[in-house]
Amino acid sequence: ETGVTQSPTHLIKTRGQQVTLRCSSQSGHNTVSWYQQALGQGPQFIFQYYREEENGRGNFPPRFSGLQFPNYSSELNVNALELDDSALYLCATIHITGGLGGELFFGEGSRLTVL
Amino acid sequence: SQQGEEDPQALSIQEGENATMNCSYKTSINNLQWYRQNSGRGLVHLILIRSNEREKHSGRLRVTLDTSKKSSSLLITASRAADTASYFCATDPTSGTYKYIFGTGTRLKVLA
Repeated sequence: ETGVTQSPTHLIKTRGQQVTLRCSSQSGHNTVSWYQQALGQGPQFIFQYYREEENGRGNFPPRFSGLQFPNYSSELNVNALELDDSALYLCATIHITGGLGGELFFGEGSRLTVL
Repeated sequence: SQQGEEDPQALSIQEGENATMNCSYKTSINNLQWYRQNSGRGLVHLILIRSNEREKHSGRLRVTLDTSKKSSSLLITASRAADTASYFCATDPTSGTYKYIFGTGTRLKVLA
């Protein structure tokens, strides 16, 4: 039990639509990252938020955007959905361990299917 | 892009046997971590090894790190059916940014 909750767990959208995925944590960790995991692949880093500001982004287009709120919960928004956006979207908070690394606490993910 | 490549991609063993999976990465790292994922669910942190460490143990897990070869291995001893899962290595290629890059994963199946 990581204390990270994601919603919804499953959803189906059609191409061109927009989706918002949500993540909340009981941990008090102030850094949250979002990952996309295609079937059979490892998670790919989308972006990271620290104290409500985006502070790092992977190789994803601007139609992937996010927010972090004062309570450290977060949203991932994807506009103009494409078929290739079908994936498991994972939110992770980061517990920093002594400045030499950060352990990720993942939620169970939101599985998005784009038809 | 994937930073790490796990090897093998899939592994099937009998309960009680040891399972070894390997990870190679491309850039200098501050630490390397291993995560486990059950059947498309969230990932669970297993162990972290720092770049100045060569070996680390946690229960039935043993991790080694060879920074000269940019590789790591995860050994699970006396495997159980409950160990069936996918295992991923993750690295932070830019020290302290926590923007982890995951490998492609090893799918482990432990047969009872």
